Amino acid sequence: GAVVSQHPSWVICKSGTSVKIECRSLDFQATTMFWYRQFPKQSLMLMATSNEGSKATYEQGVEKDKFLINHASLTLSTLTVTSAHPEDSSFYICSAAPNGETQYFGPGTRLLVL
Amino acid sequence: EDKVVQSPLSLVVHEGDTVTLNCSYEVTNFRSLLWYKQEKKAPTFLFMLTSSGIEKKSGRLSSILDKKELFSILNITATQTGDSAVYLCAVDSSGTYKYIFGTGTRLKVLA
Repeated sequence: GAVVSQHPSWVICKSGTSVKIECRSLDFQATTMFWYRQFPKQSLMLMATSNEGSKATYEQGVEKDKFLINHASLTLSTLTVTSAHPEDSSFYICSAAPNGETQYFGPGTRLLVL
Repeated sequence: EDKVVQSPLSLVVHEGDTVTLNCSYEVTNFRSLLWYKQEKKAPTFLFMLTSSGIEKKSGRLSSILDKKELFSILNITATQTGDSAVYLCAVDSSGTYKYIFGTGTRLKVLA
């Protein structure tokens, strides 16, 4: 299957700082990537659809100025959590679908904001 | 509003038991239904179902879709402790691979 990587795996930061999470498709090109958030014991909630070369599409209730998405190349999308607060602590997962196949997920990034 | 509902929420069985996990959905434009297994990290893909009545099988796991009644089941036979995980059902309703996830079924298999 296709491989999607994320970096970092874990991040702990102070409240008010910004955190950047990278999502890479390692063996395929992805014009579209997806960013999800998962709180403990809850399911994955789609935050936004990242489109290469254009603006991301955000789901209802997700602040686009808070969660900045950049999809600058066909293999890289980044999610920046700006001015992070403790309530932003969560598990952030990206995914991509190669050639119109099913989505493959990255390993996820655990964010803890103190 | 599109939604995906899984049941039961949680299940505890003993090794060797057979389990059936349920996923029902209401979406405006069904494209496919997917099953994922999530342990401590991100979900791993199990099955994608697009047609009714065709069983997908992989080892002890199998799944089938009923597009008329709008549900799918995931069966696991002869369960093992390694099957302990959260099983997620997702529906692609837009044709753009934007998934709606159910809340998951947490399965624990006791030795």
